Amino acid sequence: GQNIDQPTEMTATEGAIVQINCTYQTSGFNGLFWYQQHAGEAPTFLSYNVLDGLEEKGRFSSFLSRSKGYSYLLLKELQMKDSASYLCAVRDSNYQLIWGAGTKLIIKP
Amino acid sequence: IAGITQAPTSQILAAGRRMTLRCTQDMRHNAMYWYRQDLGLGLRLIHYSNTAGTTGKGEVPDGYSVSRANTDDFPLTLASAVPSQTSVYFCASSSGVEGEQFFGPGTRLTVL
Repeated sequence: GQNIDQPTEMTATEGAIVQINCTYQTSGFNGLFWYQQHAGEAPTFLSYNVLDGLEEKGRFSSFLSRSKGYSYLLLKELQMKDSASYLCAVRDSNYQLIWGAGTKLIIKP
Repeated sequence: IAGITQAPTSQILAAGRRMTLRCTQDMRHNAMYWYRQDLGLGLRLIHYSNTAGTTGKGEVPDGYSVSRANTDDFPLTLASAVPSQTSVYFCASSSGVEGEQFFGPGTRLTVL
């Protein structure tokens, strides 16, 4: 079966750095996405990885290792507005997205 | 219209009733999707359409139907609602099957 695993909840301090991990087992791999979802709102796109390595976009970076079926999202200089759920999704061999349940990130002052 | 709109925003529905959730996008995206999101579970694909005139079944299609008569609209119909269809429904679109998906604001549906 297809499976995406990520921690249910994480807590971090304002100004700090946090790493959210995602492991996956899917039928085929055509890219991995990270989305941010604030409570009661729609998911919004953060990053995309299809090759191994690190993609940096401002305070957010995403890493992929295809051989390990592993990705992480790194958030630096945390702000209160970063309190949200972070969703990991893998595009499978049918070009459909398989989604993790999301990691709820709580930022404390 | 800017992006993707969904209607209604929320709805309470009696079991057995028929309901159509509307989704419209103005980005001229070819691909559109319907997901449901339930607490503790990831987004699950209900139906999708890679281009106008074609549709396909996702992970959880039972009890739902869709149509794609034109590029902009992708309605989702519940023929006879059941309580297990209580969920938040998101419509999404992408320029192609390889593009990032953009999401509408969602419809919160409660079936009693």
